[in-house]
Amino acid sequence: EVQLVESGGGLVQPGRSLRLSCAASGFTFDDYAMHWVRQAPGKGLEWVSGISWNSGSIGYADSVKGRFTISRDNAKNSLYLQMNSLRAEDTALYYCANPTSDYWGQGTLVTVSS
Amino acid sequence: DIQMTQSPSSLSASVGDRVTITCQASQDISNYLNWYQQKPGKAPKLLIYDASNLETGVPSRFSGSGSGTDFTFTISSLQPEDIATYYCQQYDNLPPRYTFGQGTKLEIK
Repeated sequence: EVQLVESGGGLVQPGRSLRLSCAASGFTFDDYAMHWVRQAPGKGLEWVSGISWNSGSIGYADSVKGRFTISRDNAKNSLYLQMNSLRAEDTALYYCANPTSDYWGQGTLVTVSS
Repeated sequence: DIQMTQSPSSLSASVGDRVTITCQASQDISNYLNWYQQKPGKAPKLLIYDASNLETGVPSRFSGSGSGTDFTFTISSLQPEDIATYYCQQYDNLPPRYTFGQGTKLEIK
């Protein structure tokens, strides 16, 4: 059974940093590109960032470019998102996912507020 | 960047109705388009991949069509359990990048 378990969310002040983690199991992690997708409360889905299987190709949404960094450790079956200079508009539920394979975690909530 | 315009943003229909949602890309995306269903408090669920292919286990009342810039998602006979928000999504592989439509909230009349 595929499992993606996110962690690291919480309440953080504007301008501070947070690192999200995602532990994967039940599939061959290093065969797949992985992504972070977020959903602000009551809003739609927004793709945040994606990374190829070997970390050789990385993409970011314009809204997070220069502030967020995606990475992965295939030896640990783990995906990460380093979020710096957080803003109120980054408040959302963050999903670790491979959407085209229909692999989704349960999400971890990030709240940016003073 | 590719923009995806999904319409309508909300839709009210009766059980048994045929429901159609459209999605337009700002440039040619071939068939690199998926459709997802999201119920409240749940992660999205893939229904249609590559514009017209039904994901395994998804009821046949769901279908998709289109290529290039114009795409359509159809529920042939609306069921009460279909109440959800539906999203189209364009994807690129190099670099890995997705763009979601704004979503269509489907309600029962």
